[in-house]
Amino acid sequence: GEDVEQSLFLSVREGDSSVINCTYTDSSSTYLYWYKQEPGAGLQLLTYIFSNMDMKQDQRLTVLLNKKDKHLSLRIADTQTGDSAIYFCAERPPGGSYIPTFGRGTSLIVHP
Amino acid sequence: DAGVIQSPRHEVTEMGQEVTLRCKPISGHDYLFWYRQTMMRGLELLIYFNNNVPIDDSGMPEDRFSAKMPNASFSTLKIQPSEPRDSAVYFCASSRTVSRRTGELFFGEGSRLTVL
Repeated sequence: GEDVEQSLFLSVREGDSSVINCTYTDSSSTYLYWYKQEPGAGLQLLTYIFSNMDMKQDQRLTVLLNKKDKHLSLRIADTQTGDSAIYFCAERPPGGSYIPTFGRGTSLIVHP
Repeated sequence: DAGVIQSPRHEVTEMGQEVTLRCKPISGHDYLFWYRQTMMRGLELLIYFNNNVPIDDSGMPEDRFSAKMPNASFSTLKIQPSEPRDSAVYFCASSRTVSRRTGELFFGEGSRLTVL
């Protein structure tokens, strides 16, 4: 995960928006992902964006991709206590290998 | 459909003992991955298999670690002898070539290892 950078913690109040940021290093990455890990569980794909897109929206989730700055963000609207989890950013390099490279994860803590 | 199944969920052992972690991937998936998660290092890829063949084991920390995949439905990660610094959560994940479009990995719930 050393090529994908994320802040380790984010604390927000319930009902506010959360924005989790990520920077990646390979500008040729084809797909970028957000995985969610709930306490005591494995990672689960939350959403992904293809590199030719700038934005993807899915209900309360908005993913923004800035290829020029190699910056990816995940916005969660109306954050709920059930959104408390670790969020991992990952990039998929181009070429034959499709093994994603994960960041270290951002722990989102939602206060009532 | 059953997801990736790992066992044991929790293991507490003493330094020097052998530890074997087990994984059953999702049926039909031809890629299998072993990851280790710690607070210090985050999520590390240890090794992955394609069609039961180890492809990249460069993430395996040292010779004390070994992994096998004798068939498409079973893999093991063995640590012998175990040391306290091996304490971590070990995840198995699987994927299939036909989902290369998105490259989604499906993770098990993990095996939490504590070495005293």
